[in-house]
Amino acid sequence: EAGVAQSPRYKIIEKRQSVAFWCNPISGHATLYWYQQILGQGPKLLIQFQNNGVVDDSQLPKDRFSAERLKGVDSTLKIQPAKLEDSAVYLCASNSPDRSYKNIQYFGAGTRLSVL
Amino acid sequence: DAKTTQPTSMDCAEGRAANLPCNHSTISGNEYVYWYRQIHSQGPQYIIHGLKNNETNEMASLIITEDRKSSTLILPHATLRDTAVYYCIVTYSWGKLQFGAGTQVVVTP
Repeated sequence: EAGVAQSPRYKIIEKRQSVAFWCNPISGHATLYWYQQILGQGPKLLIQFQNNGVVDDSQLPKDRFSAERLKGVDSTLKIQPAKLEDSAVYLCASNSPDRSYKNIQYFGAGTRLSVL
Repeated sequence: DAKTTQPTSMDCAEGRAANLPCNHSTISGNEYVYWYRQIHSQGPQYIIHGLKNNETNEMASLIITEDRKSSTLILPHATLRDTAVYYCIVTYSWGKLQFGAGTQVVVTP
């Protein structure tokens, strides 16, 4: 089966600009996650969707970050305006409701963001 | 969710078994032990998980102590492609995956 697709792979912007990342989960996966991974650290959950509804966005900096999953399939994460500390890899993951009880998540390769 | 403690780094010779320890002394009865790994420039990859019993799959074996306060991930025959950061995560089956810094494993020829 096809994996989790993310684009772009790399993005360089200047601070105060806006940026958007796209994720297409594995077909049929109802749960979608966005993580932020700062260099040298493990991924940190930003937001979790179940279909097109938000389950958990407690770690999402809502003053500048937003995410949507309008049709319950692909998702977009946006940062506006970006700060230097937003430089990180943004990872998308998904899992199937059939397997969610096992907490097995499938990750994309991520988008590496550099804010200058 | 219980926290875990892992060594920062480990070296392993190609073809030998790699034994990765993880301490989780505050684990509660319904929390599982999950292992993921992250190869450079890739997203994390699920390896294995367990509750009480030892588990084995095509990638690895997971040994959980009887008191469940620690566990060991075993890669039976390490290859160069096993070079990665390995994360031990303790959480409920419905809980969040909270990644720590993990163990950097380097497999050498």
